[in-house]
Amino acid sequence: QKEVEQDPGPLSVPEGAIVSLNCTYSNSAFQYFMWYRQYSRKGPELLMYTYSSGNKEDGRFTAQVDKSSKYISLFIRDSQPSDSATYLCAMSVGSGGGADGLTFGKGTHLIIQP
Amino acid sequence: EPEVTQTPSHQVTQMGQEVILRCVPISNHLYFYWYRQILGQKVEFLVSFYNNEISEKSEIFDDQFSVERPDGSNFTLKIRSTKLEDSAMYFCASSLSDTQYFGPGTRLTVL
Repeated sequence: QKEVEQDPGPLSVPEGAIVSLNCTYSNSAFQYFMWYRQYSRKGPELLMYTYSSGNKEDGRFTAQVDKSSKYISLFIRDSQPSDSATYLCAMSVGSGGGADGLTFGKGTHLIIQP
Repeated sequence: EPEVTQTPSHQVTQMGQEVILRCVPISNHLYFYWYRQILGQKVEFLVSFYNNEISEKSEIFDDQFSVERPDGSNFTLKIRSTKLEDSAMYFCASSLSDTQYFGPGTRLTVL
């Protein structure tokens, strides 16, 4: 069983829609969860970081973690064409910034249609 | 805003040759990392580095790989004898405490 599962898409939605992106994981030792955005042939850009179950909001983005179900989500409100990118979930056992490497999902390719 | 930089952006090499990929992490960061992403696949952790030594490495990071911080600003990844399957994007990242910031990557093509 793969450690982190993420539907690769593509996911195509109209501008202004609410987008829901999801990852499941199997390793219950993961405690820290991140969402990165990656444009084509660029490096991952950090969007959200959280370590507790529940919701964390930052502008149009909301990260949700359910550790009991081993399920994390990223919601994007009022989606814009500039949100079109690949969204990667990532997680770690340690704080995410220490010695531990991050374990990534494969990424979901999101397309926002104008 | 400070950022991680990487050079070169694209490196082409012949199989069996040695390559060195270079990174300049964010200046006050303490942890440094290398990841790779084979085309169409996941970003994979290779190695983390702290206090001038390797902290953690994945099973991918075998004897053909090495890392070094030769001075106060650069962080390098050396691949001793490249194979075709080493063709990938290589990302450097750095961290001060709880989050990793990635560079733009070096595309390595092994012919």
